[in-house]
Amino acid sequence: KNEVEQSPQNLTAQEGEFITINCSYSVGISALHWLQQHPGGGIVSLFMLSSGKKKHGRLIATINIQEKHSSLHITASHPRDSAVYICGRGGADGLTFGKGTHLIIQP
Amino acid sequence: GAGVSQSPSNKVTEKGKDVELRCDPISGHTALYWYRQSLGQGLEFLIYFQGNSAPDKSGLPSDRFSAERTGGSVSTLTIQRTQQEDSAVYLCASSLGRPLYNEQFFGPGTRLTVL
Repeated sequence: KNEVEQSPQNLTAQEGEFITINCSYSVGISALHWLQQHPGGGIVSLFMLSSGKKKHGRLIATINIQEKHSSLHITASHPRDSAVYICGRGGADGLTFGKGTHLIIQP
Repeated sequence: GAGVSQSPSNKVTEKGKDVELRCDPISGHTALYWYRQSLGQGLEFLIYFQGNSAPDKSGLPSDRFSAERTGGSVSTLTIQRTQQEDSAVYLCASSLGRPLYNEQFFGPGTRLTVL
C-alpha cells in the first residue's frame, strides 16, 4: 500500500480551466513536496511546504496537516502546464511519492 | 550557475556487469539525493547524503546497490551484478541546508538499460 495517494491519475482539461490535483498521505510528514515532470523532460520542484499555503505565479499549493491532505491548484491553465505532477511526503525515513497525475491541457 | 549534472546520460550494460553512475551537485549544496524512476512506476527514493554521510541506507533496493559521496560534492551510485529489473532512470538531486526540508534541484538523470 502506497503511503501517498494522488488523484486523479489522469486529467484532461481545456485551456483556461482551474485545475486541482489532490494528494493524501497516511503517515505524518516533515514536508510535502510537489514536483513537475514534462514529457521526456527533467523534474522540477514546484513547492515544498509543511503548513498553510504557497503561491508561485499561477500555481498554488495548500496543505492540511490534520487531514493529511494537500492540493495543487493551477489557475488559468495553459497547454504548457501539460506534465506529470508528483506529490512526495518527506519524513525522517526519506521521501515517499505518489504515482503522479498526468495532466493534459488542450488548447 | 551550473545545475546538477549526471553522467553518463545513457548506459546500456549486460546482465551481471557492474555499473557506476555519477552525480555532480550544485556547488555548495550540502544535501544530495538519489532516486529511481522505472517505466510505468513512480519515483522511488533511494538514499540521501548530508555532507558525506548517509544516515539511512534502507531505501536501497538490495545489497547490490551502494552509494558514496566524497568531499561533500560528487556522489557515485554503484550497482553490482546488474539485473534486468535494475533498468530505470536514476535521478540525482541536491539541496541547501537540512536534507528533505529544502527545495531540491534535479539532474537530468541516467537512463540505465540492462540487457
